[in-house]
Amino acid sequence: KNEVEQSPQNLTAQEGEFITINCSYSVGISALHWLQQHPGGGIVSLFMLSSGKKKHGRLIATINIQEKHSSLHITASHPRDSAVYICAVSGYGGSQGNLIFGKGTKLSVKP
Amino acid sequence: DTEVTQTPKHLVMGMTNKKSLKCEQHMGHRAMYWYKQKAKKPPELMFVYSYEKLSINESVPSRFSPECPNSSLLNLHLHALQPEDSALYLCASSQAWGTGLAKNIQYFGAGTRLSVL
Repeated sequence: KNEVEQSPQNLTAQEGEFITINCSYSVGISALHWLQQHPGGGIVSLFMLSSGKKKHGRLIATINIQEKHSSLHITASHPRDSAVYICAVSGYGGSQGNLIFGKGTKLSVKP
Repeated sequence: DTEVTQTPKHLVMGMTNKKSLKCEQHMGHRAMYWYKQKAKKPPELMFVYSYEKLSINESVPSRFSPECPNSSLLNLHLHALQPEDSALYLCASSQAWGTGLAKNIQYFGAGTRLSVL
């Protein structure tokens, strides 16, 4: 079993729809990261969370430490949101700097 | 400036060639990373440099040789690669490595897409 599991693996939505991507993890973490990767491209860090909720524009990320679960929500989705969204976690102590990645969720938003 | 610049964007090389990938950041970050990413897979950590010293080598074959000549620059020297080494190579940097949450946010470059023939 992977230490970081994401669902769904693939997601197709119509423009304007509300989107949720889920991430569950099985290890102790110091922080959880949501990353975005466009096709053929580099990675952008969207959020780093250690508790609660963060919002940036149309993106909202939440984390429940007790349940070891995080969600990324996109409101009023747009075709430019089409990308792979990756959940990653940081451990403790000497491994804080290392990221354990989920396999990613490929999102396609149709106009 | 929150940019990590990688060059070249694309590289095609034969199995007997020697080439280098370059990564540069001017954010004052003291930790730099190399990742390898195969198609439809998450990135795999290869190396971590902290304060210009190699801190992690994830059992990477010696045909990959990293170098950190100064705090802004990270190179990856390639020699005698195999076709299975074809992948997207990503560089990242963070304020520090292993200490403090905010300092762990990694900034990624756009990557070098490498093809080994």
